[in-house]
This record gives sequence, C-alpha cells and structure tokens, in this order.
Amino acid sequence: DIQMTQSPSTLSASVGDRVTITCRASQSISSWLAWYQQKPGKAPTLLIYKPSNLESGVPSRFSGSGSGTEFTLTISSLQPDDFATYYCQQYQTYPLTFGPGTKVDIK
Amino acid sequence: EVQVVESGGGIVQPGGSLRLSCVASGFSFTNYWMHWVRQVPGKGLVWVSRVNSDGTNTKYADSVKGRFTISRDNAKNTVYLQMNSLRGEDTAVYYCARDRFAGDGVFDPWGQGTLVTVSS
Repeated sequence: DIQMTQSPSTLSASVGDRVTITCRASQSISSWLAWYQQKPGKAPTLLIYKPSNLESGVPSRFSGSGSGTEFTLTISSLQPDDFATYYCQQYQTYPLTFGPGTKVDIK
Repeated sequence: EVQVVESGGGIVQPGGSLRLSCVASGFSFTNYWMHWVRQVPGKGLVWVSRVNSDGTNTKYADSVKGRFTISRDNAKNTVYLQMNSLRGEDTAVYYCARDRFAGDGVFDPWGQGTLVTVSS
C-alpha cells in the first residue's frame, strides 16, 4: 500500500496568513493526488485534484502543486472559513489512501 | 443539486450484520463509480470499497475483504454496503462518495455520513 504522510499535523495561524501544508507519498504517485477539506461534524469536500486543478467553486486562494512523492497545498491568505482539517489522498493505486490530516486552527 | 445520502447506520453487536444504503440524485448515476469511505470519530479517513458503474467490478480494503460486500441498483440510484461479521474496529462514520472522474478515485461529492457502532 502507498503510505501518505502530512506535515505539520497541526498548524496555528491567523487570518491573512499564508499557509502551506506538505503531503508526501511513500512511492511515486505521479500527479494522482487530491486535497479535501473537512470541518467538524461535516463530510469532507474536494478542493483540488491532479494536483493543481481547483474544483469548481473553490476560492482561488487555494492552490496545489507537486509531483512524484512531494506535494503542497497553499492557502494564500487564510480566511475565517478556512479553519478546518485538510487531507491529501492518492489515487494512483488501490487501496486508495489518505494522509493523516492537518488541522488548521486559530492562533 | 448533485448529492448522495446515506442511511442504515446504527448499533450492532459484534458478529452482527448491517446494510448501509446510499441514494444518489442530481446526476446520471449509471455513469459513475461509487465508493464507501469510513472515519472513526476524531480520526482520519479510510477508503473501504468501490463499485464500478454497472456493478460488475468491485474492490475492497484488506480490512473488510470477505466480510463486506458493495453492490448497486441502478434502477433505484442506490449503492449498498452489506457488512457482516462486524467487529469493534468497524465502528466509524461511513461516507458514500461519487467517483468524480470516470473511475479514477477522486471523491466528490460525499454524503453526510451514517454512524455505525459495533458494541455489546
């Protein structure tokens, strides 16, 4: 199975900050990576796929990059609605696997 | 509106069975693969199973293989997860999700989830 890791596990930031989350795969997954946002008590929602394509309706302050084994999710200017947990997910190979999540909370 | 809605969760004893349902609407269900993903409250996301668009091909996580069965009824726009021989470690919120892009494994949208608790 492909193992996904994320860093940091928790990130404390302020509104307006630039935030970067890193996701690493245990082997190359080319560009087959997606990012999801999950708020407490809610289902995840798709933010970005492959790994820089913004899902329709997602604000342009979100961006993704990377290939192979290292990927990043960047929020250019953190907004109050962005405080949530973010998961990366590889879809190169079954079983599909997620990173452990990065919680972005208020500093 | 494109949406999927799960039902069927509840409390079941170890060794018991439960069937989850997921009804889809707002899109052409027969064209999309479907997945189940679970999440222990407070923990991360784990992919469980997927079925292709006509129900002829399925995949499972090793942790549920031989115990869970995914299926679909395209006439009812519904995907099912039959869970047998349930264990405590199967306790989780179970999400149904559409495969966003012709079976490549990106999940969108997700349902609201249904909680399965395995406990005596």
